[in-house]
Amino acid sequence: EAQVTQNPRYLITVTGKKLTVTCSQNMNHEYMSWYRQDPGLGLRQIYYSMNVEVTDKGDVPEGYKVSRKEKRNFPLILESPSPNQTSLYFCASSPGPLRETQYFGPGTRLLVL
Amino acid sequence: DAKTTQPPSMDCAEGRAANLPCNHSTISGNEYVYWYRQIHSQGPQYIIHGLKNNETNEMASLIITEDRKSSTLILPHATLRDTAVYYCIVRVPYNFNKFYFGSGTKLNVKP
Repeated sequence: EAQVTQNPRYLITVTGKKLTVTCSQNMNHEYMSWYRQDPGLGLRQIYYSMNVEVTDKGDVPEGYKVSRKEKRNFPLILESPSPNQTSLYFCASSPGPLRETQYFGPGTRLLVL
Repeated sequence: DAKTTQPPSMDCAEGRAANLPCNHSTISGNEYVYWYRQIHSQGPQYIIHGLKNNETNEMASLIITEDRKSSTLILPHATLRDTAVYYCIVRVPYNFNKFYFGSGTKLNVKP
């Protein structure tokens, strides 16, 4: 089944403790992206990647890192999480130009204490 | 990418057509109109997209005005499962930067 998977789905952590949220897609998509969703602010793009080893900042990249070493994986790294990073996170992938409808993962709900 | 304006919420009776409007008066000639929806806190789901011609697929129809300054997403026979937030997005297909979702329209389908 074609899908985007995220792990973990739920995470409670403490300020400053490094964490990684994994994202994997099995559709051989070139483009992948991370979003966060907060009440009243909608979906905001954090980082995106157009292909392996090619990443760029979205609207709200501060406090996040990403890497794209393999086409299928696009992990989101919070080196030193803070309470303002408490949010619902979505990973998405897309085939690429002209067929670039995005397919979203199920979401990761993060609480930073 | 052009910004969009959508009503914050709409109601629709089950079985009736739901017509969701979107204003994109600053759209440029090479920008497409995309519609996504998000059911509760699930990942957004692609619905349909178009450039200037009306489009239809198994989920919905997209009507774009001749001047392209607005569009309407039509769900022909809304069901309770169509209750969701619907996002209208305008963007250039090759522009992977900043996929801007906006605040969308909460559609409430009522029995």
